[in-house]
Amino acid sequence: EAEVAQSPRYKITEKSQAVAFWCDPISGHATLYWYRQILGQGPELLVQFQDESVVDDSQLPKDRFSAERLKGVDSTLKIQPAELGDSAMYLCASSSAGTGNSYEQYFGPGTRLTVT
Amino acid sequence: RKEVEQDPGPFNVPEGATVAFNCTYSNSASQSFFWYRQDCRKEPKLLMSVYSSGNEDGRFTAQLNRASQYISLLIRDSKLSDSATYLCVVNKRAGNMLTFGGGTRLMVKP
Repeated sequence: EAEVAQSPRYKITEKSQAVAFWCDPISGHATLYWYRQILGQGPELLVQFQDESVVDDSQLPKDRFSAERLKGVDSTLKIQPAELGDSAMYLCASSSAGTGNSYEQYFGPGTRLTVT
Repeated sequence: RKEVEQDPGPFNVPEGATVAFNCTYSNSASQSFFWYRQDCRKEPKLLMSVYSSGNEDGRFTAQLNRASQYISLLIRDSKLSDSATYLCVVNKRAGNMLTFGGGTRLMVKP
């Protein structure tokens, strides 16, 4: 069964350092999402891509976060500089749907970030 | 007010019990509704979609009340393996953009 791949699974970094997460969606899925999930809360959408284009990044803290999907396949989410409040699970999801349809989103295992 | 609200629980129930979770959403234009299940320190996985007419999948029944902007999930004959967090999810607006509730934690005990 095809899966969404993410790496690393765990990351510990000191505040003010830069950190990057990688996601490889299910092959053929045009839509890719990055979510942040703080312990005890539901996932919160950070950014949505349709192919290589950003569809929505209204909740992405652009002063320190950036995301790219240059070739419309895999994607990288970067935080620079990291802050203590960034400690969370970062989830990547993909979907075969375009922006006008609602289909199941498949989640990767996530990257658990701890900022010290 | 949060876009999607759930009772965080935990709901502690014995095996075999019937348990129901409720969820309310604020955006009356929402069109698609789902329940996701998330095990501890794992990723969310789709449990079932929620249709206007209500739908059932084995021991699980989901219902939607658009007038009251309310979604429910009923689990019958609870199993130990049902212990998890159940996330209520609605689409944010037209298009495949989802808003998650905070989740309801269920613990089924022997």
